[in-house]
Amino acid sequence: AQTVTQSQPEMSVQEAETVTLSCTYDTSESDYYLFWYKQPPSRQMILVIRQEAYKQQNATENRFSVNFQKAAKSFSLKISDSQLGDAAMYFCAYRSGQGAQKLVFGQGTRLTINP
Amino acid sequence: KAGVTQTPRYLIKTRGQQVTLSCSPISGHRSVSWYQQTPGQGLQFLFEYFSETQRNKGNFPGRFSGRQFSNSRSEMNVSTLELGDSALYLCASSLAGRNTDTQYFGPGTRLTVL
Repeated sequence: AQTVTQSQPEMSVQEAETVTLSCTYDTSESDYYLFWYKQPPSRQMILVIRQEAYKQQNATENRFSVNFQKAAKSFSLKISDSQLGDAAMYFCAYRSGQGAQKLVFGQGTRLTINP
Repeated sequence: KAGVTQTPRYLIKTRGQQVTLSCSPISGHRSVSWYQQTPGQGLQFLFEYFSETQRNKGNFPGRFSGRQFSNSRSEMNVSTLELGDSALYLCASSLAGRNTDTQYFGPGTRLTVL
């Protein structure tokens, strides 16, 4: 079974600074997808960024980028120029490339932005 | 386009009762997945429905069941509620349930079991 581990339960960063959230995963599959989801307090979960395992290039979405190290099974999220609106729980998630839409989530990292 | 909607948003039940939660996917989406979120266990996959058929099921007891209607709306039912069933129940929809599809989450239903 696949597992996802987020080793940082909480992180904090000064506004406008850069922060990196860590995620490692375990799988024997070669075809899979990785995601970072953001869940603001009392608001719904939204997709931040996704990475296809077969793509070597790291995904980027504006101020959000990932460092995907397939051999090390590591998938970290970098947030540049942190903003107050980035404060949220961040979940790393894995989905197999075979069939169903089942997401396997990490335990989450609570990110605080200090003004 | 309207997002994923879930009703009700909040529910309070007592042990032994049963509950039904509803999820309306984004228009045109045919795959609906359900997740349970608790502080202790985190986010756990319950099941996925596509074209009215359950395609995959997580490791939950048979008290947890679901169904999907022809308009892709989905319901999940929990019978004989236990205190440990208190959680935020999230549903997510995707266009065709393909590997390349992105899943969009609803706001969740917060269930409290007393």
